[in-house]
Amino acid sequence: AQSVTQLDSQVPVFEEAPVELRCNYSSSVSVYLFWYVQYPNQGLQLLLKYLSGSTLVKGINGFEAEFNKSQTSFHLRKPSVHISDTAEYFCAVSAYNQGGKLIFGQGTELSVKP
Amino acid sequence: GAGVSQSPRYKVAKRGQDVALRCDPISGHVSLFWYQQALGQGPEFLTYFQNEAQLDKSGLPSDRFFAERPEGSVSTLKIQRTQQEDSAVYLCASSLRRASQETQYFGPGTRLLVL
Repeated sequence: AQSVTQLDSQVPVFEEAPVELRCNYSSSVSVYLFWYVQYPNQGLQLLLKYLSGSTLVKGINGFEAEFNKSQTSFHLRKPSVHISDTAEYFCAVSAYNQGGKLIFGQGTELSVKP
Repeated sequence: GAGVSQSPRYKVAKRGQDVALRCDPISGHVSLFWYQQALGQGPEFLTYFQNEAQLDKSGLPSDRFFAERPEGSVSTLKIQRTQQEDSAVYLCASSLRRASQETQYFGPGTRLLVL
């Protein structure tokens, strides 16, 4: 079985400051890793995903994440946030060869203040 | 092109009523997923189809929940004899292929409130 823990339920940050949203996972099998974003009143949208290769993954809107196998982490970062980045962010895993079922964390609410 | 659509967007039901939630996936997408998202929580997997075949229904919380995708396109999630604990947002997602690394495209969700 897999589980995902997002260590911060809320992250307030000022505009143009850097931000890191933390994600740790647990799994007995190999997994793919995803970050999704949910803007108010909109569906979930993929930010980025790690499948293999380079452990640093770049996504949309200037976000990036680093896969750390030894620490079973996949933290999301952005060097300078905008007001428009205010949203709920979800980390998720999908086990190899299990059809694509996503296991999500509880979510982190990013609030960017002017 | 068109994304995943869901209807209705909002549904209020009295306890004990049956409800049906519809999902229209992206055309040509083989895989279709249903998730349940309680208030303040992350989405939780309910069930998964590859074309018309329901390959995994391990997440359905009780036998009151039933999903179908008879022609491998549109899917319906039915909840019989609704209970207050069924109140949640129900999300549908589709992906092009059956593979764990595929990106899932989500619809806007149906918000169900059971009174």
